[in-house]
Amino acid sequence: GAGVSQTPSNKVTEKGKYVELRCDPISGHTALYWYRQSLGQGPEFLIYFQGTGAADDSGLPNDRFFAVRPEGSVSTLKIQRTERGDSAVYLCASSATSGGPNEQFFGPGTRLTVL
Amino acid sequence: AQSVTQLGSHVSVSEGALVLLRCNYSSSVPPYLFWYVQYPNQGLQLLLKYTSAATLVKGINGFEAEFKKSETSFHLTKPSAHMSDAAEYFCAVIENSGYSTLTFGKGTMLLVSP
Repeated sequence: GAGVSQTPSNKVTEKGKYVELRCDPISGHTALYWYRQSLGQGPEFLIYFQGTGAADDSGLPNDRFFAVRPEGSVSTLKIQRTERGDSAVYLCASSATSGGPNEQFFGPGTRLTVL
Repeated sequence: AQSVTQLGSHVSVSEGALVLLRCNYSSSVPPYLFWYVQYPNQGLQLLLKYTSAATLVKGINGFEAEFKKSETSFHLTKPSAHMSDAAEYFCAVIENSGYSTLTFGKGTMLLVSP
């Protein structure tokens, strides 16, 4: 079946602009995670959804970052007033349920470049 | 908070040689531990996971890892490297067993030479 998909695969924007990154999880997966991977680093947690609600947003770096999952499936990560330091690969993952060692399936990521 | 340390940002081996990628964790309680592999321009793929059952865990592509509580380690090994193993490998731990949020190490790039 289809895996996790993310669009766009690449996004180049200018400092100060607004961007939206989309994640389509595996059908039926209730848990959805966003991570950010900077160059030379491992992925860092941003936010976790269980269904439609954000169960944990402690990883969001500041209030310029926001994410939604209105129908419990597709999620959108929104970044306002982008800064050059926001440049990174944004990864989305989904799992069938939350809790315990449930496998997270990762998408290919969106590479964001802020000029 | 839990953390993961991967020793060596790059490891080079010859084809056919033993692969050893090191991972140490810090945790006050027994964690869940994972190894992921990332090929260029692809998403992360799960290699194996430790869930407090057997301490020696076998994964895909001939990889295995051993959980050693006394050493707080979860090193990844493969007896014989193949060219196709060249990729970046990440060790990860679940930070909150309620939410399964992963905390990753910085990664180790495995280079395989003929």
